[in-house]
Amino acid sequence: DVKVTQSSRYLVKRTGEKVFLECVQDMDHENMFWYRQDPGLGLRLIYFSYDVKMKEKGDIPEGYSVSREKKERFSLILESASTNQTSMYLCASSGRTDSGPQHFGDGTRLSIL
Amino acid sequence: DQQVKQNSPSLSVQEGRISILNCDYTNSMFDYFLWYKKYPAEGPTFLISISSIKDKNEDGRFTVFLNKSAKHLSLHIVPSQPGDSAVYFCAASYQGAQKLVFGQGTRLTINP
Repeated sequence: DVKVTQSSRYLVKRTGEKVFLECVQDMDHENMFWYRQDPGLGLRLIYFSYDVKMKEKGDIPEGYSVSREKKERFSLILESASTNQTSMYLCASSGRTDSGPQHFGDGTRLSIL
Repeated sequence: DQQVKQNSPSLSVQEGRISILNCDYTNSMFDYFLWYKKYPAEGPTFLISISSIKDKNEDGRFTVFLNKSAKHLSLHIVPSQPGDSAVYFCAASYQGAQKLVFGQGTRLTINP
Protein backbone atom coordinates (compact mmCIF):
# COMPACT_ATOMS: atom_id res chain seq x y z
CA ASP A 1 0.00 0.00 0.00
CA VAL A 2 1.24 3.47 -0.90
CA LYS A 3 1.92 5.64 2.09
CA VAL A 4 2.18 9.41 1.82
CA THR A 5 2.95 11.00 5.16
CA GLN A 6 2.64 14.67 5.96
CA SER A 7 4.60 15.74 9.02
CA SER A 8 1.86 17.76 10.74
CA ARG A 9 -1.92 17.42 10.81
CA TYR A 10 -2.45 20.89 12.29
CA LEU A 11 -0.17 23.90 12.32
CA VAL A 12 -0.63 27.45 13.59
CA LYS A 13 1.83 30.14 12.53
CA ARG A 14 2.04 33.92 12.57
CA THR A 15 2.03 36.35 9.67
CA GLY A 16 5.52 36.84 8.27
CA GLU A 17 6.92 33.55 9.53
CA LYS A 18 8.71 31.15 7.23
CA VAL A 19 6.76 27.88 7.24
CA PHE A 20 7.89 24.43 6.17
CA LEU A 21 5.48 21.62 5.31
CA GLU A 22 7.06 18.22 4.85
CA CYS A 23 5.88 15.21 2.86
CA VAL A 24 7.40 11.74 2.56
CA GLN A 25 6.31 8.85 0.32
CA ASP A 26 7.45 5.26 0.58
CA MET A 27 6.71 3.95 -2.93
CA ASP A 28 9.74 5.21 -4.82
CA HIS A 29 7.46 7.47 -6.86
CA GLU A 30 9.03 9.87 -9.33
CA ASN A 31 6.30 12.52 -9.13
CA MET A 32 5.25 14.52 -6.10
CA PHE A 33 2.70 17.32 -5.80
CA TRP A 34 1.53 20.01 -3.41
CA TYR A 35 -2.09 21.19 -3.49
CA ARG A 36 -4.22 23.44 -1.38
CA GLN A 37 -7.89 22.78 -0.81
CA ASP A 38 -10.30 25.62 -0.15
CA PRO A 39 -14.11 25.52 0.09
CA GLY A 40 -15.76 26.02 -3.28
CA LEU A 41 -12.43 25.91 -5.12
CA GLY A 42 -11.51 22.24 -4.96
CA LEU A 43 -7.87 21.23 -5.09
CA ARG A 44 -5.47 23.65 -6.73
CA LEU A 45 -1.93 22.68 -7.69
CA ILE A 46 0.82 24.79 -6.16
CA TYR A 47 4.00 23.02 -7.33
CA PHE A 48 5.03 19.61 -8.52
CA SER A 49 8.26 17.71 -9.02
CA TYR A 50 8.96 14.88 -11.45
CA ASP A 51 12.45 14.09 -10.24
CA VAL A 52 14.97 14.93 -7.56
CA LYS A 53 15.93 18.63 -7.66
CA MET A 54 13.37 19.23 -10.43
CA LYS A 55 10.30 21.37 -9.88
CA GLU A 56 7.57 23.00 -11.91
CA LYS A 57 5.05 25.66 -11.04
CA GLY A 58 1.43 24.69 -10.78
CA ASP A 59 -1.54 26.99 -11.04
CA ILE A 60 -1.00 29.05 -7.86
CA PRO A 61 2.76 29.17 -7.05
CA GLU A 62 2.89 32.75 -5.78
CA GLY A 63 4.14 33.01 -2.22
CA TYR A 64 5.40 29.41 -2.18
CA SER A 65 8.57 27.54 -3.01
CA VAL A 66 9.49 23.86 -2.88
CA SER A 67 12.48 21.64 -2.30
CA ARG A 68 13.16 18.09 -3.39
CA GLU A 69 16.62 16.97 -2.33
CA LYS A 70 15.70 13.27 -2.01
CA LYS A 71 13.30 11.21 -4.06
CA GLU A 72 11.03 10.35 -1.15
CA ARG A 73 10.72 13.85 0.33
CA PHE A 74 9.02 16.98 -1.02
CA SER A 75 8.87 20.16 1.05
CA LEU A 76 6.58 23.14 0.62
CA ILE A 77 7.88 26.47 1.90
CA LEU A 78 5.85 29.57 2.64
CA GLU A 79 8.50 32.26 2.42
CA SER A 80 6.58 34.86 4.45
CA ALA A 81 3.25 33.50 5.63
CA SER A 82 0.14 35.59 5.08
CA THR A 83 -3.42 35.12 6.31
CA ASN A 84 -4.66 34.23 2.81
CA GLN A 85 -2.45 31.14 2.97
CA THR A 86 -4.64 29.67 5.71
CA SER A 87 -5.82 26.46 4.08
CA MET A 88 -5.70 22.67 3.94
CA TYR A 89 -2.49 21.55 2.24
CA LEU A 90 -2.35 18.15 0.55
CA CYS A 91 0.69 16.29 -0.72
CA ALA A 92 0.44 13.56 -3.36
CA SER A 93 2.74 11.22 -5.24
CA SER A 94 2.55 9.10 -8.38
CA GLY A 95 4.75 6.92 -10.51
CA ARG A 96 5.63 7.57 -14.13
CA THR A 97 2.93 8.17 -16.76
CA ASP A 98 0.33 5.40 -16.99
CA SER A 99 1.46 3.83 -13.76
CA GLY A 100 -1.60 4.74 -11.74
CA PRO A 101 -3.37 7.60 -9.99
CA GLN A 102 -1.97 10.08 -7.53
CA HIS A 103 -1.98 9.00 -3.88
CA PHE A 104 -2.60 11.60 -1.21
CA GLY A 105 -1.49 12.23 2.34
CA ASP A 106 -4.03 13.14 5.02
CA GLY A 107 -3.32 16.85 4.76
CA THR A 108 -2.03 19.64 6.97
CA ARG A 109 -4.52 22.19 8.24
CA LEU A 110 -2.48 25.41 8.37
CA SER A 111 -3.74 28.53 10.13
CA ILE A 112 -1.90 31.82 9.74
CA LEU A 113 -2.77 34.33 12.46
CA ASP B 1 -10.70 29.69 -15.77
CA GLN B 2 -12.25 26.54 -14.32
CA GLN B 3 -11.49 23.75 -16.78
CA VAL B 4 -13.25 21.11 -14.69
CA LYS B 5 -16.56 22.00 -13.07
CA GLN B 6 -18.81 20.28 -10.62
CA ASN B 7 -21.88 22.48 -10.57
CA SER B 8 -23.63 20.82 -7.64
CA PRO B 9 -21.95 21.67 -4.32
CA SER B 10 -24.09 19.13 -2.50
CA LEU B 11 -26.37 16.16 -3.10
CA SER B 12 -28.61 14.27 -0.71
CA VAL B 13 -29.75 10.71 -1.53
CA GLN B 14 -31.68 8.08 0.36
CA GLU B 15 -29.86 4.91 1.35
CA GLY B 16 -30.30 2.17 -1.24
CA ARG B 17 -31.08 4.56 -4.11
CA ILE B 18 -28.78 5.67 -6.91
CA SER B 19 -26.41 8.61 -6.45
CA ILE B 20 -25.39 10.45 -9.61
CA LEU B 21 -22.57 12.97 -9.44
CA ASN B 22 -21.82 15.11 -12.46
CA CYS B 23 -18.75 16.80 -13.86
CA ASP B 24 -18.18 18.98 -16.94
CA TYR B 25 -14.92 19.92 -18.58
CA THR B 26 -13.91 22.45 -21.20
CA ASN B 27 -10.47 21.29 -22.39
CA SER B 28 -10.87 18.85 -25.30
CA MET B 29 -7.26 17.73 -24.79
CA PHE B 30 -8.20 15.87 -21.59
CA ASP B 31 -8.10 12.13 -22.18
CA TYR B 32 -8.04 10.62 -18.71
CA PHE B 33 -10.57 11.22 -15.96
CA LEU B 34 -10.67 10.18 -12.33
CA TRP B 35 -12.98 10.34 -9.34
CA TYR B 36 -11.66 10.77 -5.82
CA LYS B 37 -13.54 10.47 -2.55
CA LYS B 38 -12.62 12.51 0.52
CA TYR B 39 -13.69 12.07 4.12
CA PRO B 40 -13.16 14.92 6.61
CA ALA B 41 -9.63 15.09 8.03
CA GLU B 42 -8.36 12.56 5.47
CA GLY B 43 -6.70 12.92 2.09
CA PRO B 44 -8.61 12.11 -1.11
CA THR B 45 -8.61 8.45 -2.07
CA PHE B 46 -8.80 7.23 -5.65
CA LEU B 47 -12.13 5.68 -6.57
CA ILE B 48 -12.36 4.98 -10.29
CA SER B 49 -11.00 6.26 -13.59
CA ILE B 50 -11.81 6.21 -17.27
CA SER B 51 -9.80 6.75 -20.42
CA SER B 52 -11.24 8.76 -23.30
CA ILE B 53 -11.22 5.65 -25.51
CA LYS B 54 -14.04 4.26 -23.36
CA ASP B 55 -17.47 5.56 -22.52
CA LYS B 56 -18.07 3.47 -19.42
CA ASN B 57 -16.05 1.87 -16.65
CA GLU B 58 -17.50 -0.16 -13.83
CA ASP B 59 -16.10 -1.26 -10.48
CA GLY B 60 -18.55 -2.87 -8.13
CA ARG B 61 -21.16 -0.32 -7.06
CA PHE B 62 -19.37 2.48 -8.91
CA THR B 63 -19.73 3.26 -12.61
CA VAL B 64 -18.27 6.22 -14.46
CA PHE B 65 -19.77 7.35 -17.76
CA LEU B 66 -18.00 9.60 -20.23
CA ASN B 67 -19.73 11.62 -22.94
CA LYS B 68 -16.93 13.18 -24.97
CA SER B 69 -19.18 15.13 -27.33
CA ALA B 70 -20.82 16.82 -24.37
CA LYS B 71 -17.56 17.01 -22.39
CA HIS B 72 -19.39 15.47 -19.48
CA LEU B 73 -18.74 12.64 -17.08
CA SER B 74 -20.81 11.21 -14.30
CA LEU B 75 -20.31 8.85 -11.38
CA HIS B 76 -23.13 6.48 -10.48
CA ILE B 77 -23.23 4.76 -7.11
CA VAL B 78 -25.74 1.93 -6.80
CA PRO B 79 -26.94 1.17 -4.21
CA SER B 80 -25.91 4.12 -2.07
CA GLN B 81 -24.71 3.34 1.44
CA PRO B 82 -24.16 5.57 4.51
CA GLY B 83 -20.39 5.09 4.17
CA ASP B 84 -20.57 6.78 0.77
CA SER B 85 -21.23 10.11 2.49
CA ALA B 86 -18.16 12.16 1.58
CA VAL B 87 -16.94 14.87 -0.79
CA TYR B 88 -16.37 13.62 -4.33
CA PHE B 89 -13.91 15.30 -6.67
CA CYS B 90 -13.60 14.68 -10.38
CA ALA B 91 -10.23 15.28 -12.01
CA ALA B 92 -8.83 15.29 -15.54
CA SER B 93 -5.48 15.09 -17.25
CA TYR B 94 -4.06 14.70 -20.75
CA GLN B 95 -1.57 12.22 -22.12
CA GLY B 96 1.96 12.70 -21.00
CA ALA B 97 1.02 15.23 -18.38
CA GLN B 98 1.42 14.39 -14.74
CA LYS B 99 -0.83 17.22 -13.61
CA LEU B 100 -4.42 16.70 -12.62
CA VAL B 101 -7.05 19.42 -12.82
CA PHE B 102 -9.72 19.05 -10.15
CA GLY B 103 -13.32 20.16 -9.93
CA GLN B 104 -14.68 22.00 -6.90
CA GLY B 105 -16.14 18.89 -5.31
CA THR B 106 -19.67 17.68 -4.48
CA ARG B 107 -20.65 16.79 -0.92
CA LEU B 108 -22.76 13.62 -1.01
CA THR B 109 -24.96 12.81 1.98
CA ILE B 110 -26.66 9.43 2.19
CA ASN B 111 -29.72 9.52 4.43
CA PRO B 112 -30.90 6.38 6.24
